[in-house]
Amino acid sequence: ELKVEQNPLFLSMQEGKNYTIYCNYSTTSDRLYWYRQDPGKSLESLFVLLSNGAVKQEGRLMASLDTKARLSTLHITAAVHDLSATYFCAVDSWGSQGNLIFGKGTKLSVKP
Amino acid sequence: DGGITQSPKYLFRKEGQNVTLSCEQNLNHDAMYWYRQDPGQGLRLIYYSQIVNDFQKGDIAEGYSVSREKKESFPLTVTSAQKNPTAFYLCASSMWLSGTGELFFGEGSRLTVL
Repeated sequence: ELKVEQNPLFLSMQEGKNYTIYCNYSTTSDRLYWYRQDPGKSLESLFVLLSNGAVKQEGRLMASLDTKARLSTLHITAAVHDLSATYFCAVDSWGSQGNLIFGKGTKLSVKP
Repeated sequence: DGGITQSPKYLFRKEGQNVTLSCEQNLNHDAMYWYRQDPGQGLRLIYYSQIVNDFQKGDIAEGYSVSREKKESFPLTVTSAQKNPTAFYLCASSMWLSGTGELFFGEGSRLTVL
């Protein structure tokens, strides 16, 4: 059974600081996704990582994938308040027929 | 504009009633999914469908039913058999065969049982 673990689950940061969210998964996969969810809202796609070594960047967020370590990271650079949200990683395991397994999410709060 | 439309956004139900949540997409996606999210939790898969007239149970299908009569539509019925239906329900779609597998989500339906 594929398991996806994120850590930390809660993260309180000061504006201007850097931090990394980790996403570990338990079985072979080469497809990993990051989503953002604002309170009371739906999920918005941030990054799609489709191969080992994939790195994608958008603004202050950068995501990477290491399929050998079964690890993805979401790095936040010089955090700003607008980044406050819950971030989910999701994994598409082989044979899953497109069903993504989601982590529990990391609730990020960026304070002035 | 292409996207996924869920309705209603908010729904209140008395115990013992069935309710149906609508999900329509105009993205021409093959696959559609229903997820449930409880407060402070991740998403759990209820049902999914990869082609018309076919669907499979996800991890928490008990107490729910679906149909896929048209490619664009995947309604979810929350039956009275669902013990704890109060939750946020998210519909999603993807091109899982020919695309990246990325899920695109609707805005969600929030169901409260009174």
